[in-house]
Formats: sequence, structure tokens, C-alpha cells
Amino acid sequence: KNEVEQSPQNLTAQEGEFITINCSYSVGISALHWLQQHPGGGIVSLFMLSSGKKKHGRLIATINIQEKHSSLHITASHPRDSAVYICAVQLYNTDKLIFGTGTRLQVFP
Amino acid sequence: SAVISQKPSRDICQRGTSLTIQCQVDSQVTMMFWYRQQPGQSLTLIATANQGSEATYESGFVIDKFPISRPNLTFSTLTVSNMSPEDSSIYLCSVGGTAYTDTQYFGPGTRLTVL
Repeated sequence: KNEVEQSPQNLTAQEGEFITINCSYSVGISALHWLQQHPGGGIVSLFMLSSGKKKHGRLIATINIQEKHSSLHITASHPRDSAVYICAVQLYNTDKLIFGTGTRLQVFP
Repeated sequence: SAVISQKPSRDICQRGTSLTIQCQVDSQVTMMFWYRQQPGQSLTLIATANQGSEATYESGFVIDKFPISRPNLTFSTLTVSNMSPEDSSIYLCSVGGTAYTDTQYFGPGTRLTVL
């Protein structure tokens, strides 16, 4: 069993829909990261969370440390949101990251 | 924040040859990380490169195959040695963790194809 599990693996949506991507982990962590990877391969950090909730524009990330679960929400989705979204956990007391396998999102106009 | 550049951005190489990938950061950082992303897979940490000491390799990765240099606080190289088609991947360098409390920064990646 992977230490970081994401669901769904693939997701398609119509423009304007509300999107939720889930991440569960089984290890002790100091932080959780949500990353966005576009087809060219470049990775952009969206959020780093250690508790609670963060919001940036149309993106919202939440984490429940007790349940070892995080969600990434996209409101009013747009075709430019199409990318792979990766959950990564930072192991407790280290700088190492363990990555989920990613969720491939396609938003159609 | 940190801006990271990598060279080359992509390369096609013959089996048995070696390729050195360069990673340059626009600020001084203590630790740099090298990751591999095989086709259709997520990222896997190869090693952590500390300035002034030997790199620390993850299970499954060895120095003879992936030698790393870290000559100063803004630069590192990763060499993929004696390449085989299984080494075809995107290789990314990254900085972050405790030095940057709000985010991780990734280079644009080097897309390597081994024929």
C-alpha cells in the first residue's frame, strides 16, 4: 500500500464545476503539499499545509491531521486548471517528500 | 522565494553514455533535492545534495549510477551514468523544506530519453 494515496486518478469536468481531489496518507508528517504539474513537466507549489485550511483565489486546501486526510478544491473550474495535481507529504522532522501518484484533471469548455 | 533553472531542458542520448544535468538556484540554499519522474509515475527522491558533504541517496539509488556534485550553495549537478532506456525520465531538482517555510520550489525539469 502506498504511503500517500490520491483519488480520483483521473477527473474530467465541465467549465464552472466544483472540483475535489482527495489525499490520504499513512505516515507521520510535518506538512502536506499540493502541487500542480502542467503537460510540459514544470511543477508549481500551490499550498503547504500543517493544519486547517488555506485559500488562494479559486483554490482551497484543507487538512485533517487526526484523520490523515487532505482535500484540494477548485471552485468555478476553468480549462486552464487542466493539469496533474499531486499531493506530497513532508515526513516528520525531515525535509523529505513522499509523493502521491497524482490526479489528472481535464476541464472542458 | 526561489527561482530554479535546469540545463539541459531535454536530451536524447544513446545507451551506455552519461549525461550531466545542472541545477542553478537564484539564492543560497542548504539542501537541494534531486527527483526522478518516470513516464506515467509520480516523483521519486533520488538523493539529497548538501553543500560540503556527500549526497545522501535513497534506497534503490547509488552514487556510481547517479553521482552528484554540490560545489556551492546555489548550484548542483546530477549525472546519469551508463544510461539505459529505463533511465528515460524527467529529472527535477528542488529546494524547500525547513529553509522555505511556505513552499517547495521545483526546477522546470530535464526530460531525458535514452535510445
